[in-house]
Amino acid sequence: AQKVTQAQTEISVVEKEDVTLDCVYETRDTTYYLFWYKQPPSGELVFLIRRNSFDEQNEISGRYSWNFQKSTSSFNFTITASQVVDSAVYFCALRGGGNKLTFGTGTQLKVEL
Amino acid sequence: GAVVSQHPSWVICKSGTSVKIECRSLDFQATTMFWYRQFPKQSLMLMATSNEGSKATYEQGVEKDKFLINHASLTLSTLTVTSAHPEDSSFYICSARQDNYGYTFGSGTRLTVV
Repeated sequence: AQKVTQAQTEISVVEKEDVTLDCVYETRDTTYYLFWYKQPPSGELVFLIRRNSFDEQNEISGRYSWNFQKSTSSFNFTITASQVVDSAVYFCALRGGGNKLTFGTGTQLKVEL
Repeated sequence: GAVVSQHPSWVICKSGTSVKIECRSLDFQATTMFWYRQFPKQSLMLMATSNEGSKATYEQGVEKDKFLINHASLTLSTLTVTSAHPEDSSFYICSARQDNYGYTFGSGTRLTVV
């Protein structure tokens, strides 16, 4: 069985602060993929990143960075210098050997002025 | 990039009627599509996996006769909520699998049953 845990239900920060969203996963598959999605109030899911289990390199894309650590089964997401437009729900998801994506419960990020 | 179009964006229907939601892959063929349901402030729950030309695979606890899924072509899957009731009010999202590991999501449909 697969499981994704996002322990932080809601995070509030002031603009320009850095914020890290945690994601811990469980799977028995040796090959798997991890994802992060952003869901703004309008509802659509915006793809942010995909990482396969064999690539533990951290990635940076602008203000976004991801830290993948297989040893702790974590795939954390950091936003540097947060902005109000970053306010959304962020979901971590896992796909193992099958077709299905398993989503975490999401973290509501609120960035205030 | 890959685009999945989902219609309608929102719909209000009367209790007892049926509602059809469409999910189209616009620039790629999707042999597999997925339907999710999301209640307010909750995660996405997979309802069913839709395979082109065959019957959908439903997750445990999802009523097949209530949520009819048809995937008649490589670019279109539909979800019909039959005899809708207020408890079916929710946000429904489809996604299409484009390649070995990519998923593209529709913009979602907010269903309100009154």
